[in-house]
Amino acid sequence: ETGVTQSPTHLIKTRGQQVTLRCSSQSGHNTVSWYQQALGQGPQFIFQYYREEENGRGNFPPRFSGLQFPNYSSELNVNALELDDSALYLCASSLSGTPGETQYFGPGTRLLVL
Amino acid sequence: DQQVKQNSPSLSVQEGRISILNCDYTNSMFDYFLWYKKYPAEGPTFLISISSIKDKNEDGRFTVFLNKSAKHLSLHIVPSQPGDSAVYFCASDTANAGKSTFGDGTTLTVKP
Repeated sequence: ETGVTQSPTHLIKTRGQQVTLRCSSQSGHNTVSWYQQALGQGPQFIFQYYREEENGRGNFPPRFSGLQFPNYSSELNVNALELDDSALYLCASSLSGTPGETQYFGPGTRLLVL
Repeated sequence: DQQVKQNSPSLSVQEGRISILNCDYTNSMFDYFLWYKKYPAEGPTFLISISSIKDKNEDGRFTVFLNKSAKHLSLHIVPSQPGDSAVYFCASDTANAGKSTFGDGTTLTVKP
């Protein structure tokens, strides 16, 4: 069983650009969640996908969007990047989204917006 | 309004002693509470969880205590080991998993 992987590990963009971050969930995990972790803070929930459908969203604007694919991969897209988008972006997969279920996190993508 | 708070940014203990990490929450609708450990350059790793219907859950050296009336939980690590040095996050779930609300973390340092 492979773990959760994310790419790229680091990324530098300029304000106004668009970025796509990628995540590969554990095989068989139908749920993927994305989190933003600013420096010195805990992860903040962006949104969750279950079987390729969005299944909940946190307090993030529409320029944050996502996709989940049948092969257990997913994407986080951010349009019109702002300086405050600089953070570590984590994806986490879980089997079915059952309450209290363990989430398995990837190592994250560190995004710097200049 | 931060719904999950870890008021101690850091904690330092001696190897072999007990480490106690604390977490407070404000949302009485939380159903599950989880602790994650995070090493540098890695994602958080699940450590232990507790359902809101319980007041204690134990797994080896790790025990989580939940005081619902005080909206407080704590993680006890006994005995502490240098390898336990990491950032510990408290997180809470409502009925939908995968939407965890995290605290800002406590950095634990266990000195040999």
